[in-house]
Amino acid sequence: ETGVTQSPTHLIKTRGQQVTLRCSSQSGHNTVSWYQQALGQGPQFIFQYYREEENGRGNFPPRFSGLQFPNYSSELNVNALELDDSALYLCASSPTRKRGSDTEAFFGQGTRLTVV
Amino acid sequence: GEDVEQSLFLSVREGDSSVINCTYTDSSSTYLYWYKQEPGAGLQLLTYIFSNMDMKQDQRLTVLLNKKDKHLSLRIADTQTGDSAIYFCADGTGRRALTFGSGTRLQVQP
Repeated sequence: ETGVTQSPTHLIKTRGQQVTLRCSSQSGHNTVSWYQQALGQGPQFIFQYYREEENGRGNFPPRFSGLQFPNYSSELNVNALELDDSALYLCASSPTRKRGSDTEAFFGQGTRLTVV
Repeated sequence: GEDVEQSLFLSVREGDSSVINCTYTDSSSTYLYWYKQEPGAGLQLLTYIFSNMDMKQDQRLTVLLNKKDKHLSLRIADTQTGDSAIYFCADGTGRRALTFGSGTRLQVQP
């Protein structure tokens, strides 16, 4: 158990729809990152939030957006869903850190999104 | 850009040692991580090593780092059937994202 919980666990959406995925970070962790893991691949970094501000972004289009709340929970929003967005979406939280430094990242169980 | 490479598959017999290898390209890496993923599950952090270390041991796990060759390995002693999973090497470069390899599927035969 990492203390990082994600909801829902599974989701089926139609192409063109919008989806919101949720993550509850481990207590005391103020940094949250989101990753996309396509079938048979390693996770790919989407973006990171630190103290409610976006703190870095991977190679994903603007229709992928996020929020972090004062209690450090987080949302990933994806607009105009495409078939290729079908993947496991993973949230990872990290403990209090200096901006830009490494530390452990603890992952949730993920949300499996299927776009049909 | 950064790249992390792993072999795709490893098969061992129960009780043997497993060695999973990883190479990375970014010389500014500060931490290197090993994660385990079981079917249908998220990622479990197994261990990590700071880039100024050569070796780290944690119970059955031994991590070796050759910074000159940018090579990382994970040795699992006395491999058990419960160790069957996909193992990911990840590179943390002091920036914000972890860069993952494609994973090595470890199959443990009884």
